[in-house]
Amino acid sequence: DAGVTQSPTHLIKTRGQHVTLRCSPISGHKSVSWYQQVLGQGPQFIFQYYEKEERGRGNFPDRFSARQFPNYSSELNVNALLLGDSALYLCASSGTGGEKLFFGSGTQLSVL
Amino acid sequence: GQNIDQPTEMTATEGAIVQINCTYQTSGFNGLFWYQQHAGEAPTFLSYNVLDGLEEKGRFSSFLSRSKGYSYLLLKELQMKDSASYLCAVRDTGGFKTIFGAGTRLFVKA
Repeated sequence: DAGVTQSPTHLIKTRGQHVTLRCSPISGHKSVSWYQQVLGQGPQFIFQYYEKEERGRGNFPDRFSARQFPNYSSELNVNALLLGDSALYLCASSGTGGEKLFFGSGTQLSVL
Repeated sequence: GQNIDQPTEMTATEGAIVQINCTYQTSGFNGLFWYQQHAGEAPTFLSYNVLDGLEEKGRFSSFLSRSKGYSYLLLKELQMKDSASYLCAVRDTGGFKTIFGAGTRLFVKA
């Protein structure tokens, strides 16, 4: 079975632009979480979606939004990009039990 | 509030044993996880503790004391490939948010 897939792998944007990152969970997983990871730090929680509903939100501004589709794939949107948004964005899915997260390889976003 | 503390860096010798400590203060608790992350790669699951005590899985063991807000990851018979960051993470009550510490970078030397 395929693992968690994310696209694109790398992305370069300029300040003020918006970006959409995509994630497909492992087949059968209904929960998707998004994390931001800056080099040398641990992943910072952004959102968690379960059954297409937002179930958790981290301390990120309203410029960050997400949604989950009927097939459980998910998109993370970031508007009005700032230089500080440059980071690795990780998507993780988990099963019904939710014990552990399975991470995708991430999208490396660079904002110039 | 949410606070997870772990050492920034550790160095150990191949074949030795290393213990990575983690202390946490979180508003809720529904399990503690350890993940391994090699440079440039995604984190991968290592262990999970929800009750007090020791969980052993091959060369890796993890311990939890909920009353002390404390956990450790024990790595035995260290190998060079164990050089990586080790992330301590706590899942909150309800299971809708998993919070990560900053990670401990482990360097294994020959």
